Amino acid sequence: EVVMTQSAATLSVSPGERATLSCRASQSVGSNLAWYQQKPGQAPRLLFYGSSTRATGVPARFSGSGSGTEFTLTISSLQSEDFAVYFCQQYSNWPLTFGQGTKVEIK
Amino acid sequence: EVQLVQSGAGVKKPGESLKIFCQSSGYKFTGHWIGWVRQMPGKGLEWMGIIYPGDSDTRYSPSFQGQVTISADKSISTAYLQWSSLKASDTAMYYCVRTSSGYSFDYWGQGTLVTVSS
Repeated sequence: EVVMTQSAATLSVSPGERATLSCRASQSVGSNLAWYQQKPGQAPRLLFYGSSTRATGVPARFSGSGSGTEFTLTISSLQSEDFAVYFCQQYSNWPLTFGQGTKVEIK
Repeated sequence: EVQLVQSGAGVKKPGESLKIFCQSSGYKFTGHWIGWVRQMPGKGLEWMGIIYPGDSDTRYSPSFQGQVTISADKSISTAYLQWSSLKASDTAMYYCVRTSSGYSFDYWGQGTLVTVSS
């Protein structure tokens, strides 16, 4: 099983600042990596697939990068609606696996 | 518009059986894998399994293999997740998801909260 590790459980960031979230795979997953955003009481929402392809409706301040085992989600200038939990997911190997999530909170 | 509409919340007793559903609309049901994701209270996301309604090919996470059954009825564009004997540890929110672009999940149902308590 590919273990996905998100290095920070919580990231405290001020509005307007940049947030950088990391996700590491225990073995190469190529570019088969997705990012999701989950707000309290809501279902998760797809942000990126293929590591860096933005899903429909995702603002340009979000960017995804990486391949192999190291991936990054960057939010260039945090808006109030971006404070949420973010999960990465690999879909290169069965079983599909998620990281444990990073909560982005207001500093 | 793609929609995944799930059954409502339910409270069951340990040992009881349960089958929840996910009704799809707005796209060709047989053309996309449909999966299930568990989220226990205050915890992260766990992939449970997935089915391709076109031919009923089904894959399970080892963590859930033998614990649940995933099925689909393409005549009514509906996927199911069922338990034969619930445990208190099955208490969680369950999301159905549609796959796209590999096995990323581009649409999510609203979630079904299952509570198992004596």
